[in-house]
Order: sequence, then C-alpha cells, then structure tokens
Amino acid sequence: QVQLQESGPGLVKPSETLSLTCTVSGGSISSYYWSWIRQPPGKGLEWIGYIYDRGSSNNNPSLKSRVTMSVDTSKNQFSLRLSSVTAADTAVYSCARHHKWELVSSGAFDIWGQGIMVTVSS
Amino acid sequence: EIVLTQSPGTLSLSPGERATLSCRASQIFSSNYLAWYQHKPGQAPRLLIYGASSRATGIPDRFSASGSGTDFTLTISRLEPEDFAVYYCQQYGRSPWTFGQGTKVEIK
Repeated sequence: QVQLQESGPGLVKPSETLSLTCTVSGGSISSYYWSWIRQPPGKGLEWIGYIYDRGSSNNNPSLKSRVTMSVDTSKNQFSLRLSSVTAADTAVYSCARHHKWELVSSGAFDIWGQGIMVTVSS
Repeated sequence: EIVLTQSPGTLSLSPGERATLSCRASQIFSSNYLAWYQHKPGQAPRLLIYGASSRATGIPDRFSASGSGTDFTLTISRLEPEDFAVYYCQQYGRSPWTFGQGTKVEIK
C-alpha cells in the first residue's frame, strides 16, 4: 500500500525558503505525477504544483516564481521549495499522488500524506 | 481561476438519512474533470469520485455523483456513522486546479 510522508521544518522565518520533502513508501515514484497542496488555517485547499518523475512540473501562477519542485527517484522522494515566505504561507502542506486510470494520469489525487504544519514567523 | 462554491456549508443529518452536497463552478471546464474528497480530522483526504461520476477504488456504492457544465452533486444514499466528515470538490479541468471550501456533514 502506497503511503506518503511529508518532512521538513515546522517553523520558517519570513523571507527565507521553505523546504519540504515527501517520501513515497510501498510503491515506486516512477510513472506518476505528484503534487503539493496546502491549507492555511481556517481557509480552503490550494494546489501548489505538480512534478513528474522525469522532472517536468507545473505550478499555480498565484505563487509566481517562488516555487521549485524536484524529484529524486533513487530515494523515492520529491521536494518543494518555496522562497521569500511570508506569514501568508503559514499552512498545512500535503503531498499527494495523481490518480491514474487505465494508464492515464489525471489531476485528481488518490493518495495523500497526513500533512505537515509549517508556520512562518520570526 | 475557476471558483468552486459548495453548498450548504454544513449539513446536519442523522445516520441512515440521505445527504446531497452541491458544487457549483464559476466557469465551465474540460470534460467534467471534477473530483470529490472526504476528509476527517487527523487523516489524509480520501478520493471518492473522479471524472465527475466515477467512484474511486474501494468506495462504497452509497456514494454517487453526477453533474456537468457548472453544477455537480455528491449524494450519500444512507449515511453511515463513518461518513460524517468534511467533503471537498476539486476541478482539474483548467489550471490552476482549485477546490471548493468544503461541506461539513455532521451528526444531527
């Protein structure tokens, strides 16, 4: 059974870079799309972006050029870096696998991590 | 971006009752690329429906969904105790993909 686990610092200072890693266990990271999603306290879910196992990615324009994602197939991990953070970036960050039906990937998410709370504060 | 509006915000029902949740989009998007998720506190969200009406693997048939264009519905035919949770819709037909604000189904 595939499981996802987010890891990284729970506290980041304003203007610094938030870095998170999602470790995939119980299955291969290859041949799937993987996304990051966040939920600020008391607010809705926001899709951040996705990455494919070969490194191609797409981000939410609302985050402009602050987002960088990468994948390490040897470690079965993918990562998120969000630069120049502010208090508005305080949220629970979750990683998720894209649903695949008959070998075709979609933008629905069939497996999610539990999420990690990241607070931006000095 | 496409805004998804879910209604009602909270649904108070008893086990065994029928739940009908609505998700309305601000614009039409591609090919009914709409998903529904169940989310319980302390747990990861669970994919219920993709493609507007297809149940994900292992989802009981008391969950059904329909809709097209801008109006979508998730129906739980008879609520079981484990169905009380928050439900989100999500469109993946037009980037950026967006979520509704959620409907909480609570025990009356």
